[in-house]
Amino acid sequence: QQQVKQSPQSLIVQKGGISIINCAYENTAFDYFPWYQQFPGKGPALLIAIRPDVSEKKEGRFTISFNKSAKQFSLHIMDSQPGDSATYFCAGQKAAGNKLTFGGGTRVLVKP
Amino acid sequence: ETGVTQSPTHLIKTRGQQVTLRCSSQSGHNTVSWYQQALGQGPQFIFQYYREEENGRGNFPPRFSGLQFPNYSSELNVNALELDDSALYLCASSLNRGGVYGYTFGSGTRLTVV
Repeated sequence: QQQVKQSPQSLIVQKGGISIINCAYENTAFDYFPWYQQFPGKGPALLIAIRPDVSEKKEGRFTISFNKSAKQFSLHIMDSQPGDSATYFCAGQKAAGNKLTFGGGTRVLVKP
Repeated sequence: ETGVTQSPTHLIKTRGQQVTLRCSSQSGHNTVSWYQQALGQGPQFIFQYYREEENGRGNFPPRFSGLQFPNYSSELNVNALELDDSALYLCASSLNRGGVYGYTFGSGTRLTVV
């Protein structure tokens, strides 16, 4: 059972453009939604996270938008840079301290 | 402050063999989790250890087992290896089972079963 569905699987954006990645979750027990960034040959690294009582969170060029009623959330990467080229994973977690349930990942390529 | 280190980085095993993967947690972290990441997919939770006790397990068979030591380092053991076990195995450590503290991942061990 895939509890977190992520789309698109890949996207190409020009430098300076906006990258948008969408996720939908099924488990209403999730109360913490992190995004991880993974470069080739490396493990995922926490990028930004949000709790469902907040509709938006912004950190630098990265913004999470959260729609609790639709059980959807998205990552926006503003002013995308070639260094942002990586695979991005959304995830859901019960904040009581359990596993991360990851989406399938989105491979982002930013062209100079 | 050191991060999470995993060893070995790459490993080739034959079907039916056994393998042990090792992980050193980030300093001060008392929780370690293991994930399996197949090529082109998101990581899948195997199990988690908190203060040396198993604290949750994903949908993996019993031939996947683990240990956490008093210094919070950890091992993942896989018996009777199958071809489908070929994947990147990620170790992640956290303080008090993650949550707002997040998880710090190692770079993984790439296991190939032939």
